[in-house]
Amino acid sequence: DTAVSQTPKYLVTQMGNDKSIKCEQNLGHDTMYWYKQDSKKFLKIMFSYNNKELIINETVPNRFSPKSPDKAHLNLHINSLELGDSAVYFCASSQRQGSTKLFFGSGTQLSVL
Amino acid sequence: GENVEQHPSTLSVQEGDSAVIKCTYSDSASNYFPWYKQELGKRPQLIIDIRSNVGEKKDQRIAVTLNKTAKHFSLHITETQPEDSAVYFCAAGSNDYKLSFGAGTTVTVRA
Repeated sequence: DTAVSQTPKYLVTQMGNDKSIKCEQNLGHDTMYWYKQDSKKFLKIMFSYNNKELIINETVPNRFSPKSPDKAHLNLHINSLELGDSAVYFCASSQRQGSTKLFFGSGTQLSVL
Repeated sequence: GENVEQHPSTLSVQEGDSAVIKCTYSDSASNYFPWYKQELGKRPQLIIDIRSNVGEKKDQRIAVTLNKTAKHFSLHITETQPEDSAVYFCAAGSNDYKLSFGAGTTVTVRA
């Protein structure tokens, strides 16, 4: 019954590997996001999609590629993982684009060894 | 783009005392100012928000104030309890869809 669910919760992998994180929301929201939270707890937006269309693409290495097959799903694929990619990645959704409440997923803790 | 600064980075208060967290923002177009609470190991959750047509908003022990002229807004928690211990984030956003978050304040309520 979770509103915004993301998998996996933990991801431990070696440098150079490729990995994906999946996110789904059952709230009927139009807009979805990926945020990165570093070890200092700073929350930084990476991407935002509205009805499957990319609307925010921050300065993120092109090793990170989001994909939204439909408005309920937003996945994040990361190629050639680096040590600095270690962080907690949060998926979020909002009813519409603009100044509205964000609903966060439970986070994926990525550790790159 | 928007730049949100948040102070202090850590705050320790005695149970029952008040806690105040202050944020400033740079973009005068920002019109939405939410506050999120993140308990240890959990997701951020919205606790209160304020829009630019309002100067103050209160919800039980939590209140937010906004000064648009000075571009700053604050979170006030009264009668703090142990369950108020968490990281609190302010944010500022406008109609260009993007929320910019402050760096967070770790609040510890001492019993």
